[in-house]
Amino acid sequence: DAGVTQSPTHLIKTRGQQVTLRCSPKSGHDTVSWYQQALGQGPQFIFQYYEEEERQRGNFPDRFSGHQFPNYSSELNVNALLLGDSALYLCASSLRQAYNYGYTFGSGTRLTVV
Amino acid sequence: GESVGLHLPTLSVQEGDNSIINCAYSNSASDYFIWYKQESGKGPQFIIDIRSNMDKRQGQRVTVLLNKTVKHLSLQIAATQPGDSAVYFCAARAGGYQKVTFGTGTKLQVIP
Repeated sequence: DAGVTQSPTHLIKTRGQQVTLRCSPKSGHDTVSWYQQALGQGPQFIFQYYEEEERQRGNFPDRFSGHQFPNYSSELNVNALLLGDSALYLCASSLRQAYNYGYTFGSGTRLTVV
Repeated sequence: GESVGLHLPTLSVQEGDNSIINCAYSNSASDYFIWYKQESGKGPQFIIDIRSNMDKRQGQRVTVLLNKTVKHLSLQIAATQPGDSAVYFCAARAGGYQKVTFGTGTKLQVIP
């Protein structure tokens, strides 16, 4: 049973460009949350998707947007990249009705903005 | 909002000793707490969780203690092994479908 799959694993972009990161949740999960983890820091919540809608959002600018597809997979888009967007981007999946259980995380996408 | 923090950034322990990692949280509405382990180059891995109606929960070599009075939780690892070396995060959620908020992490170094 595959866990959470993220692609790509590493990415280098130039400041001002746009990037799309992808996530396939664990089988049976219907909710996807995205986190940004800067070096040496804890993951920071970006947003959460359920039933193809953004349900919650953290303190991130509108340059960060997302999407969830009918098969529960999700994309994170970041526009007008800044150097400060360099981080590990983590996708976590869960089953919404089982909200008293921890997330399952993917291994992340390492984004470097130069 | 929720703020979750750890007391020590780095903890070094001898192999075979017990480890205790502490965490404080600020939101009294927090009702669910999770400990994660993150190894280099990997995503956080679930270790153990505890709900606010409990004060202790045990797993395999790990125990989580919750003190709601002082808004504090701890992770105890028995007989620490080299494979336990990682960064440990506590995380908390304030009800229902709310987001899970992470602390900054404690790096556990196991000395052989």
